Amino acid sequence: DAGITQSPRHKVTETGTPVTLRCHQTENHRYMYWYRQDPGHGLRLIHYSYGVKDTDKGEVSDGYSVSRSKTEDFLLTLESATSSQTSVYFCAISSGGWGTGELFFGEGSRLTVL
Amino acid sequence: AQSVTQLDSQVPVFEEAPVELRCNYSSSVSVYLFWYVQYPNQGLQLLLKYLSGSTLVKGINGFEAEFNKSQTSFHLRKPSVHISDTAEYFCAVSLQGAQKLVFGQGTRLTINP
Repeated sequence: DAGITQSPRHKVTETGTPVTLRCHQTENHRYMYWYRQDPGHGLRLIHYSYGVKDTDKGEVSDGYSVSRSKTEDFLLTLESATSSQTSVYFCAISSGGWGTGELFFGEGSRLTVL
Repeated sequence: AQSVTQLDSQVPVFEEAPVELRCNYSSSVSVYLFWYVQYPNQGLQLLLKYLSGSTLVKGINGFEAEFNKSQTSFHLRKPSVHISDTAEYFCAVSLQGAQKLVFGQGTRLTINP
């Protein structure tokens, strides 16, 4: 299995509070991604990173920010959580060649915003 | 922009029966195509991928898919399913050389004994 660890795995929080999800990899892969999974929508890309301090937005980036200060860590932050951000969040990594490479996924982080 | 449509949200089949999960994509340029599987409470793992070459692609666990450029489809098939194949299946597409993998809505495969 690819060395990807997401934390926390489960979190319940209240509307308006900040939340940070962490993705840690031991594969030294260049590319890292954050997706959210919702019923009927499949997986949608929030943000991705193609190197340290290099990030870009995906299709559902509003309300989210990311940071990557080290190759192995990719943080997803909800500055002020809303109920619409209740979801399962997946981190994924790729060694490169985005369009030709396989994505390896973490186990997911289930976030509930009350 | 490219998009992916999985035509069935749920597919129930009996054990040892054949199954086909349908996937259509839209793109005006060449693409790479993928099928991922998600078992309950787990992340996604790659079943198979089409990059180029033979249009019939074989993957893990006896699954295969056929790329049909004229019909812009990439349907997933298995000749005989097992209870252990119960999972959600996602079709995905990326533009060649692009930085974006787009997923379909998913198809939940349920195997009945």
